[in-house]
Amino acid sequence: GQNIDQPTEMTATEGAIVQINCTYQTSGFNGLFWYQQHAGEAPTFLSYNVLDGLEEKGRFSSFLSRSKGYSYLLLKELQMKDSASYLCAVRSNDYKLSFGAGTTVTVRA
Amino acid sequence: EAGVAQSPRYKIIEKRQSVAFWCNPISGHATLYWYQQILGQGPKLLIQFQNNGVVDDSQLPKDRFSAERLKGVDSTLKIQPAKLEDSAVYLCASSLEIGLQSSYNSPLHFGNGTRLTVT
Repeated sequence: GQNIDQPTEMTATEGAIVQINCTYQTSGFNGLFWYQQHAGEAPTFLSYNVLDGLEEKGRFSSFLSRSKGYSYLLLKELQMKDSASYLCAVRSNDYKLSFGAGTTVTVRA
Repeated sequence: EAGVAQSPRYKIIEKRQSVAFWCNPISGHATLYWYQQILGQGPKLLIQFQNNGVVDDSQLPKDRFSAERLKGVDSTLKIQPAKLEDSAVYLCASSLEIGLQSSYNSPLHFGNGTRLTVT
């Protein structure tokens, strides 16, 4: 199975940068996903990493180190609408997707 | 493309009653998932289908929960009888068939969920 850890809460100022870390332990690794979830809404897909390195997509970037069981999601130029929960999810070799508990990011003016 | 459809959006029942949720995945998505999300937690997988077959139901409380996907398209999740701890959001998600997922960046697409309150 998977054990996925991420911080519970983070607070940052509008325009700033925030980095959300995720560590995982899995019996077989087949990709890592980041999802954004606004309160009362469904999770929406943000990024996918299967190889080591940085994937950049606009203001959001995601990094993966498979040897360290570590990923981070970087949010740049924070906007108020970025206030949400960010979920780290790991896909195992049997194609099960397991989620962490989520990190609630609060953006303040 | 149309997204994952779920109904109802909200449901309030008393403990020991029964409830059913419906999900229609994105057209062409062979894999369908039901997740339970308790407030403040990440989604927890209950059951995963590929077409009309069950891939994984190891975390489904089978004494009270059941799910089916008879024609390999839409799916129903049932709870009978409900307990207080079943209060949660039930999310349905779909994706390409398992054999294609490793070849493509194939994320899960989620529906808006059904918020269940058991009193």
